[in-house]
Amino acid sequence: GAVVSQHPSWVICKSGTSVKIECRSLDFQATTMFWYRQFPKQSLMLMATSNEGSKATYEQGVEKDKFLINHASLTLSTLTVTSAHPEDSSFYICSARAWLAGGTQFFGPGTRLTVL
Amino acid sequence: AQTVTQSQPEMSVQEAETVTLSCTYDTSESDYYLFWYKQPPSRQMILVIRQEAYKQQNATENRFSVNFQKAAKSFSLKISDSQLGDAAMYFCAYRGQGGSEKLVFGKGTKLTVNP
Repeated sequence: GAVVSQHPSWVICKSGTSVKIECRSLDFQATTMFWYRQFPKQSLMLMATSNEGSKATYEQGVEKDKFLINHASLTLSTLTVTSAHPEDSSFYICSARAWLAGGTQFFGPGTRLTVL
Repeated sequence: AQTVTQSQPEMSVQEAETVTLSCTYDTSESDYYLFWYKQPPSRQMILVIRQEAYKQQNATENRFSVNFQKAAKSFSLKISDSQLGDAAMYFCAYRGQGGSEKLVFGKGTKLTVNP
């Protein structure tokens, strides 16, 4: 139980294009999902908290117009990187909070984004 | 603000031996949760163990156990009978009880298991 999927696992795009990453909780409902960014050999950096049916809460320094988050259902949250640039290249990880597991966060496998 | 410190950037252990990874944290809250996550080379974050601060008993999960010292704000992870598959980055994380649901992560400890 408590499986979280992410799609795609790897994406390459041209500078200036937009990329959408999906995060799904497969066997539980998640009213809250989280989006992280991880640089090589570093810890996870929280970008935003995604709440079903409401606006996401962004961490300080994260551009909300660049990283659009939508949490339209209890099992799906999406992160859209708009007008991507090479500096947006990174590993993006989502997590979903499982109430039945005491609110523990379970993580997706991550998405590697490369912007050329 | 809460902080989590992992003072060992790298650790190594011989296969079948025991290793302990350190984690300390700073908080003014009395009720909270602590976690150890493992990130193998695949980069999938995997929950290893969870501890509720109100529980005095240390959590255990098979070969993994913690030494939770609330007064000292210490939360170490012991891995017994280490296996090659235990090689990974290990992250200690804190979550408060009320309000914020955010996880605060330490910088991680890279564990190498030598055959």
